[in-house]
Amino acid sequence: DSGVTQTPKHLITATGQRVTLRCSPRSGDLSVYWYQQSLDQGLQFLIQYYNGEERAKGNILERFSAQQFPDLHSELNLSSLELGDSALYFCASSASLTGTVQETQYFGPGTRLLVL
Amino acid sequence: DQQVKQNSPSLSVQEGRISILNCDYTNSMFDYFLWYKKYPAEGPTFLISISSIKDKNEDGRFTVFLNKSAKHLSLHIVPSQPGDSAVYFCAASTNNNNDMRFGAGTRLTVKP
Repeated sequence: DSGVTQTPKHLITATGQRVTLRCSPRSGDLSVYWYQQSLDQGLQFLIQYYNGEERAKGNILERFSAQQFPDLHSELNLSSLELGDSALYFCASSASLTGTVQETQYFGPGTRLLVL
Repeated sequence: DQQVKQNSPSLSVQEGRISILNCDYTNSMFDYFLWYKKYPAEGPTFLISISSIKDKNEDGRFTVFLNKSAKHLSLHIVPSQPGDSAVYFCAASTNNNNDMRFGAGTRLTVKP
């Protein structure tokens, strides 16, 4: 158990819809990262938040957005969903003493999104 | 763009033998490399890392080798155990760009 929790575990929705994925980082971790893993693909870094502020952006679509709340939990919002958005979405956290990605990240179990 | 590539989607090894997982990268600015292990229905877990100032880092049965001139790194597991069966992801990052790039993963199967 990494200490990172993600809800829901599974999500099935239709094209055009909007969903929100939630992540609670390990206690005390300031950074939260979101990743997408599509079928047969590696993890694609989407976005990082550090202590409530956006820190880095990766291959995140404009239809996707995220935020980190004062209690450090984070939400990833996916809108106007397309079939190709079906994937595993992982959240990770790190203590972020340096605020960079070069710290060990602890991953949650992921949310499996299926868009029909 | 696939800046980090793991060209072998799968690898099968006998218990007790050495497992060698390979990873190639294209961005010469990468200066920090990691390996993550992932079991089914779980998130990836950190395994071992190496900075570009080193060419080898060892942690128990796991050793990572970095060849900067070839832009290649490898993970050696010796001796391999059935519990090592998992998907292994290689990842790379640069110190001044908060972006971690992952490979597609290699599924290792260690047979008893």
